[in-house]
Amino acid sequence: EPEVTQTPSHQVTQMGQEVILRCVPISNHLYFYWYRQILGQKVEFLVSFYNNEISEKSEIFDDQFSVERPDGSNFTLKIRSTKLEDSAMYFCASRGQIEAFFGQGTRLTVV
Amino acid sequence: KNEVEQSPQNLTAQEGEFITINCSYSVGISALHWLQQHPGGGIVSLFMLSSGKKKHGRLIATINIQEKHSSLHITASHPRDSAVYICAVAKGGSEKLVFGKGTKLTVNP
Repeated sequence: EPEVTQTPSHQVTQMGQEVILRCVPISNHLYFYWYRQILGQKVEFLVSFYNNEISEKSEIFDDQFSVERPDGSNFTLKIRSTKLEDSAMYFCASRGQIEAFFGQGTRLTVV
Repeated sequence: KNEVEQSPQNLTAQEGEFITINCSYSVGISALHWLQQHPGGGIVSLFMLSSGKKKHGRLIATINIQEKHSSLHITASHPRDSAVYICAVAKGGSEKLVFGKGTKLTVNP
């Protein structure tokens, strides 16, 4: 069964450092998403990406965040200068025509 | 006010029981999703609904668009069904999903 793959599964970084979270969406999907879940809270939308550009973003997705699809297969989320409050589980999702599929998540811990 | 409300927050059942989890929403939607989140954190999509009813194995999902309400039912529950079940809606005209807080289900043997 096709699946969305995220790496790494867990990343620990120092405050102020840049991190890149990586996702390999399902190959024929056209819509890509990043969500995050702070521990104990509900999942929140960050950004959607279609046709090589951001189609929608939330208030959370400020100038510290960026997304890229560098090579037609990977889909990355970059946080330029991490803050303690960026610690969360980050989920990538991709969608074809109908159903969305989620990755297993990357747990980011900022210390 | 949350746009997506789930009830109950926590649910404990004995193996074999019939389970119902409810989701109400307050916005216009194009679709509603039921998702399962395992203890390790991964999210699995169970159903996507825009009307009526869907069934997959022991899971049944229904939606009433007029009442802005959906239910997820699990028949003959099993300890391996223990997880957090999340309702999420795709708001009309938007790509993003808006999530409920989830229902933590524990099925005891």
